[in-house]
Amino acid sequence: DIVMTQTPLSSPVTLGQPASISCRSSQSLVHSDGNTYLSWLQQRPGQPPRLLIYKISNRFSGVPDRFSGSGAGTDFTLKISRVEAEDVGVYYCTQATQFPVTFGGGTKVEIK
Amino acid sequence: EVQLVESGGGLVQPGRSLRLSCTASGFTFGDYAMSWFRQAPGKGLEWVGFIRSKAYGGTTEYAASVKGRFTISRDDSKSIAYLQMNSLKTEDTAVYYCTRVNSSGRMADYWGQGTLVTVSS
Repeated sequence: DIVMTQTPLSSPVTLGQPASISCRSSQSLVHSDGNTYLSWLQQRPGQPPRLLIYKISNRFSGVPDRFSGSGAGTDFTLKISRVEAEDVGVYYCTQATQFPVTFGGGTKVEIK
Repeated sequence: EVQLVESGGGLVQPGRSLRLSCTASGFTFGDYAMSWFRQAPGKGLEWVGFIRSKAYGGTTEYAASVKGRFTISRDDSKSIAYLQMNSLKTEDTAVYYCTRVNSSGRMADYWGQGTLVTVSS
């Protein structure tokens, strides 16, 4: 199975400041079709997860442009350019290049 | 508007069975693969399994932790996906989420609100 490792576990951020979350996979996420199936999800307190980013850097419908994804191969990053109060929650990276689908352990974003 | 509504959760004894349903609306259900995920209390997300659309054979994939005990099926005429859970264990206690799968991006693009399954004697 592909192991996904996220850092940090927790990220206290001042409102209006940037935040960055790293995700590393135990093997390359490049599929034989040339795509990299790495997504980012946001889970606000008491809510189901919500898709933010897919295929490394594509923002899903309705996702604010302060969220951006980057990376390649085994190293990926989610950035929030200016954290807002509604961004509080846990963020997960996930890969679907290979079954089983696996997740990082999550990064909790909270306001300082 | 895409909507996914899970139902069928509840309290069940170890070793017993439960069937969850996911009723979909707002899209052509038969055109999409569907997936189930779960989240144990206070824990992270875990993939449970996946069913392809009929166009891709309607075949299934499962996590090792549930393979042989859980079965995913679909009724395209009713726009419902099912998760049949047999031989339940206490470690299956979790909120179970149904998702639509966007095949081009291989991502779960819409999630239901979830249904809680508690396995306890």
